[in-house]
Amino acid sequence: NAGVTQTPKFQVLKTGQSMTLQCAQDMNHNSMYWYRQDPGMGLRLIYYSASEGTTDKGEVPNGYNVSRLNKREFSLRLESAAPSQTSVYFCASTFTGNTIYFGEGSWLTVV
Amino acid sequence: GQSLEQPSEVTAVEGAIVQINCTYQTSGFYGLSWYQQHDGGAPTFLSYNALDGLEETGRFSSFLSRSDSYGYLLLQELQMKDSASYFCAVGPGTYKYIFGTGTRLKVLA
Repeated sequence: NAGVTQTPKFQVLKTGQSMTLQCAQDMNHNSMYWYRQDPGMGLRLIYYSASEGTTDKGEVPNGYNVSRLNKREFSLRLESAAPSQTSVYFCASTFTGNTIYFGEGSWLTVV
Repeated sequence: GQSLEQPSEVTAVEGAIVQINCTYQTSGFYGLSWYQQHDGGAPTFLSYNALDGLEETGRFSSFLSRSDSYGYLLLQELQMKDSASYFCAVGPGTYKYIFGTGTRLKVLA
């Protein structure tokens, strides 16, 4: 059972480049999330998808877009990367909301 | 807005008991969760409280007081492997979970 899988694990981008972080879960969860984690800032919610076909903004959505491709997959896109988007990104999913399962993280550096 | 406050760092010795507090301000409330994260790793679920009172899971316990917008995580019989960051999380909406800034626990031998 793979759980939550996200790719890539590491990525270096130049300012202005675009990229998509991919996430898939095999637990048949309804809800999926994207968080970013910066030193001393905890986990901040970027976007979430309560169920297939819906997406909503979290705490820090600016500069990002998301797509809930199907029940399993939830991607995060950076259209024009900025150094302020250097962070660790975590995808997560849940069925009930009281237990959230996280992927291993994607380390993104924007230079 | 939504906010969760935790101490930034706590230090304790092996075998001791430590309490990590969390106070929250949210527009709604659907439960308080706790997560553990080791350096370089992903957060993993520890405990959840939907109602007031104490929940016990082995060496870990979590407490919630909704009237005080307050909860804590209690770790007993501390072990070196408990050195990690601990996050409280609140669900202000049924599907939207917000995390605190985390408490770094250092366990000393």
